[in-house]
Amino acid sequence: EVQLVESGGGLIQPGGSLRLSCAASGFTVSSSYMSWVRQAPGKGLEWVSFIYSDGSTYYADSVKDRFTVSRDNSKNTLYLQMNSLRAEDTAVYYCARTSRIAAAGSEWFDPWGQGTLVTVSS
Amino acid sequence: DIQMTQSPSSVSASVGDRVTITCRASQGISNWLAWYQQKPGKAPKLLIYGASSLQRGVPSRFSGTGSGTDFTLIISSLQPEDFATYYCQQANSFPYTFGQGTKLEIK
Repeated sequence: EVQLVESGGGLIQPGGSLRLSCAASGFTVSSSYMSWVRQAPGKGLEWVSFIYSDGSTYYADSVKDRFTVSRDNSKNTLYLQMNSLRAEDTAVYYCARTSRIAAAGSEWFDPWGQGTLVTVSS
Repeated sequence: DIQMTQSPSSVSASVGDRVTITCRASQGISNWLAWYQQKPGKAPKLLIYGASSLQRGVPSRFSGTGSGTDFTLIISSLQPEDFATYYCQQANSFPYTFGQGTKLEIK
């Protein structure tokens, strides 16, 4: 069964750092495209970052230069290193496998992890 | 950035009703559109990808249409488990963007 399990969330003071983990089973993270998506309390979904199988990465402007996506192939795990955290980064963070069929113009997030809550507050 | 605008923001409907949710992109995105369903406290669930392809295991009462800038999610006959929030999302170009969501409530 394909599954994602996030961990690492918690309460952190503004300006602090946190690393989220996303452990995968049933598929190989290193040969997949992966994304992070967040959802602030009571709000909609916001795409955060993307990593290709070749390691190239993309970020939302709101987190660029503060967040870094990476992976550990030996642990089959995706990470999101979050630095210089702000109150507006408070959200549930989801990781998702990203599948693409370029010839059909299709790309989608599935499955999603259960999410991990990050609260940035003093 | 490509803006995704959903309408309506909320809708009240009854079991058995046909419901249509629209999503408009600020520029053409071909078929690079997916639809998700989210229930409170749960992760989003993929319904439709490529604008009109039904994800395996999703009931056939869900369907998607559209290409370019205008897209539609149709639920042909609402069931009690369909009351949730629905999001569209474009994957035509980075940064990927979601619509603001449509909350489907019981009338």
